[in-house]
Amino acid sequence: QVQLQESGPGLVKPSETLSLTCSVSGGSVSSGNYFWSWIRQPPGKGLEYIGNFYYSGSTNYNPSLKSRVTISVDTSKNQFSLRLTSVTAADTAVYYCAGTGDDAEYWGQGALVTVSS
Amino acid sequence: QSVLTQPASVSGSPGQSITISCTGTRSDVGFYNYISWYQQHPGKAPKLIIYDVGSRPSGVSNRFSGSKSGNTASLTISGLQAEDEADYYCSSFTGSTTWVFGGGTKLTVL
Repeated sequence: QVQLQESGPGLVKPSETLSLTCSVSGGSVSSGNYFWSWIRQPPGKGLEYIGNFYYSGSTNYNPSLKSRVTISVDTSKNQFSLRLTSVTAADTAVYYCAGTGDDAEYWGQGALVTVSS
Repeated sequence: QSVLTQPASVSGSPGQSITISCTGTRSDVGFYNYISWYQQHPGKAPKLIIYDVGSRPSGVSNRFSGSKSGNTASLTISGLQAEDEADYYCSSFTGSTTWVFGGGTKLTVL
């Protein structure tokens, strides 16, 4: 069973960069069987897709966030990361990482990131 | 990237069936059969319950079913149970190689 765990600072100052890491166990980030995603959910609101990457090396981002987002992978650590620049209070959310296969999908428990000075 | 349209809330009594709609456009729901549904209980991560319009992951009850007609996808829950009370989200693949979610529907079991 694939398991994912988000980690990173829970508090980020406005205009700074949010950085989160997703550690994967029970599966490989370089597997051709999955693609890997970041999704977020502001408190009390709905889900927003941030972006993903495929084993082929391609990354794809939500057009509304594209100018500020980077998703990268570290195959040696079996991790992938999210970087969101120039954050504001509107970026306060629970951030989830997920792995999607042909007939299954696995999510991390989520990490709350608050943007505040 | 537009959010798919879902009703804010639906309700039903135990044993009844309910249907949640998810309306998109010709560029997402209407074009692709990569439609998923998620169940989210308070404080928990979303759980995939339907993928590819109407397929169920292993372990998901057959009381959950999905369908699509035109630009609208639907989730039907039959034989409602108290444990089904949760938020439900649809999502669709889009032409920009990412996904878009619906605004979410709160299901209340009366």
